[in-house]
Amino acid sequence: GAVVSQHPSWVICKSGTSVKIECRSLDFQATTMFWYRQFPKQSLMLMATSNEGSKATYEQGVEKDKFLINHASLTLSTLTVTSAHPEDSSFYICSAQGQSNYGYTFGSGTRLTVV
Amino acid sequence: DAKTTQPNSMESNEEEPVHLPCNHSTISGTDYIHWYRQLPSQGPEYVIHGLTSNVNNRMASLAIAEDRKSSTLILHRATLRDAAVYYCILTLIQGAQKLVFGQGTRLTINP
Repeated sequence: GAVVSQHPSWVICKSGTSVKIECRSLDFQATTMFWYRQFPKQSLMLMATSNEGSKATYEQGVEKDKFLINHASLTLSTLTVTSAHPEDSSFYICSAQGQSNYGYTFGSGTRLTVV
Repeated sequence: DAKTTQPNSMESNEEEPVHLPCNHSTISGTDYIHWYRQLPSQGPEYVIHGLTSNVNNRMASLAIAEDRKSSTLILHRATLRDAAVYYCILTLIQGAQKLVFGQGTRLTINP
């Protein structure tokens, strides 16, 4: 089946610094990947749709200058949280669609803590 | 996006069947019904999806009402590892479509 690898699994950073999260499709090509954010005890909230070779599409209310998305190849999308603040602390998850028979595959998530 | 409604929580016993309901009364003819589950501190995991007919796979079964306004995810014999939040989601399957998650059902399995 399709595998999506997400790194790092957790990261702690100081307020004001930037953090990059990588999402790789290991055994398939993903022209589209999705980025979600999940706060404790809440559901996943879609942040943006990452399109290979073009600009990402952001959901309403998500700051595109703060959450930079790059999808430079068919197997890699990155999310950079710029000038992170404690309120950005959350669980970030990426996903991609592999073979249609298996639906969407999700990464294992990145827990970001900003101190 | 078509909306789904699920109970906030359900509880069952180990080795017993579990029926997780989902209402989607505004489903359109081209919407597929997806089920995903999320274990604690992990990304969601695909469970099953279907359009009109009931579906079975190694993880679960999906029973779809004749009018497609509701569906039920069936875990035939629950284990402790099935404790998770289960999400019922509608989406078009042509092309890569974004999945919009509701609150899901938190399933607790008692030993």
